[in-house]
This record gives sequence, structure tokens and C-alpha cells, in this order.
Amino acid sequence: GAGVSQSPRYKVAKRGQDVALRCDPISGHVSLFWYQQALGQGPEFLTYFQNEAQLDKSGLPSDRFFAERPEGSVSTLKIQRTQQEDSAVYLCASLVGTEAFFGQGTRLTVV
Amino acid sequence: RKEVEQDPGPFNVPEGATVAFNCTYSNSASQSFFWYRQDCRKEPKLLMSVYSSGNEDGRFTAQLNRASQYISLLIRDSKLSDSATYLCVVMNYGGSQGNLIFGKGTKLSVKP
Repeated sequence: GAGVSQSPRYKVAKRGQDVALRCDPISGHVSLFWYQQALGQGPEFLTYFQNEAQLDKSGLPSDRFFAERPEGSVSTLKIQRTQQEDSAVYLCASLVGTEAFFGQGTRLTVV
Repeated sequence: RKEVEQDPGPFNVPEGATVAFNCTYSNSASQSFFWYRQDCRKEPKLLMSVYSSGNEDGRFTAQLNRASQYISLLIRDSKLSDSATYLCVVMNYGGSQGNLIFGKGTKLSVKP
């Protein structure tokens, strides 16, 4: 597609529920990032893929967070046993040269 | 210490004012630098890259001081539409380093 697409746009989860957030990056682009953005904060790096390889997952806040990109295109960020502190906007970005193009994000609210 | 630090503001300025934002970064190996703009409840978008020689795009001027590890953004003749959060971003290359690091952002509000 022409841009980065994320789904769902909004997700309300009960505490303890598992969620899966999807990112469709810009077609053919190698680099993909996931960020977490809490209200009033800048995007915090979570993880980075080149094609299907997860080269850096140092930003994942706990082992409840897991990301994959099995075929080097669509990526899924999974959060197990959600907690209230997981409430944030989750942003996905494709890197085109040195410019990051972001999706509109998934706003996750854990209640 | 955060790798990229910015004054969160808010900066409240009248239309027509000149405003400057500063940013410092801690990784001396950082190689590329950017300012992104983020409107409320929207995704970040690239405003401009920052080069060592300094660069200008209309009313916006960006400067980089590698020795001091300092980046700045100057906005002249502020418009109401400039109201947004400005994010300082550094890119680190090489190896498996996940490499695009954002500051917390500086909020600008331009008033009539």
C-alpha cells in the first residue's frame, strides 16, 4: 500500500487479556519499528526488524511483549496479560532512506 | 539519563514571534538528526533533517553542534498552524542497533 496501516485503531482490553496489534508497512520496505507512546510523552522505542529478522528488541518493557514479522512484511505486536500501564498508543513505522513514515497507531486502553 | 533530552515546554508564544527549541543527545556515535512534528492525536511526521552546516526550510532553521551534542530548531514568524509537539530524533547506524531514538517532545502553542 501507499502508507503504513495499523489495526485496530482503538482497542479496549480488560486487564489480563491478551491483545494483538497489526502493522502493514509500506510495501517492499525492509526496516520496521514499533514504538510505544504514553500520553504527553515522546515515542519510546520497542523493537526493530530488518525484513523478518528482529535485530533489536531491547525496548520491549517485559516478557509479556512479543513482536514478529514472519514473512518480512506484516508485523504483529502481541501483549500478553495486559496491565493498566500498557495503556498507550502503539506506533509502527517504515523507514524509507532515513525518513520514518508512521502509521496512525493503535490506541490501547486497558481497563 | 535519556539518550535524547528536550525541554517539554509548553512554549506559549504570540503569532509572529520567533521561538527556539533545543535538544541534547548522549550518544556521540549518533549519525543523523531530525526534527519531527506531531499534531495532537496524530502520528509524528518528518519536519526536517538537521545537517552539521545548518539548514533552513522557509521559516524553519535547524542547527547541529556535534562537539556539544546539541541540536536546535528555530521557527520565525510563528503561525497558529505551527502549534504542535516538536520531537528531536537521532539515528544510530550499525550492527543490530535499533536505531531511531525520539526525545519526549517540546510542545508549542501559538496564540493569536
